Amino acid sequence: RKEVEQDPGPFNVPEGATVAFNCTYSNSASQSFFWYRQDCRKEPKLLMSVYSSGNEDGRFTAQLNRASQYISLLIRDSKLSDSATYLCVVKGAAGNKLTFGGGTRVLVKP
Amino acid sequence: GAGVSQSPSNKVTEKGKDVELRCDPISGHTALYWYRQSLGQGLEFLIYFQGNSAPDKSGLPSDRFSAERTGGSVSTLTIQRTQQEDSAVYLCASSLGQVIQPQHFGDGTRLSIL
Repeated sequence: RKEVEQDPGPFNVPEGATVAFNCTYSNSASQSFFWYRQDCRKEPKLLMSVYSSGNEDGRFTAQLNRASQYISLLIRDSKLSDSATYLCVVKGAAGNKLTFGGGTRVLVKP
Repeated sequence: GAGVSQSPSNKVTEKGKDVELRCDPISGHTALYWYRQSLGQGLEFLIYFQGNSAPDKSGLPSDRFSAERTGGSVSTLTIQRTQQEDSAVYLCASSLGQVIQPQHFGDGTRLSIL
């Protein structure tokens, strides 16, 4: 089993709709969680950190479920510019090594 | 402001040659990471430097790969006797190095082995 798993998609989303997807992690001792966004042939960019209580940044909402060992990302009112691959990133209990999921591809269409 | 800088941005070389990739992290960032991303694949961790501690080399795929970080700043990733499967984008990232700190990525070096 991979340490961090994501549905590769693609999630085809009509413009203005809501899309949500999860990421599961295998190490229950994982400490920190992030969502990164990666555009085609570009480097990953931090989208948001994921806090235990859940957090929201504009149209983006991230949730952490420690009991079931997954994090989620919800995008409301999708824009064409939201089309990208969303990478789930988990930091383990020791050190600062990050483990990246394979990414979920989102395509927002008019 | 200045971000993570990587050079060269593109490198094409023949199989069997050695290559050296450079990363200049954000000033003040004590943690530095190397990853690689093959076409259509996720990010693969290679090596991690944190301050003066021994680096975490657990992701290096073979002994042809090595990395140094001099003076706690600039890092070089060296690949000896390159193989075609080494073709990928090599990404460097840095962070403040504390427990909950996100990483900032450079633009990457696109390495092509002919």
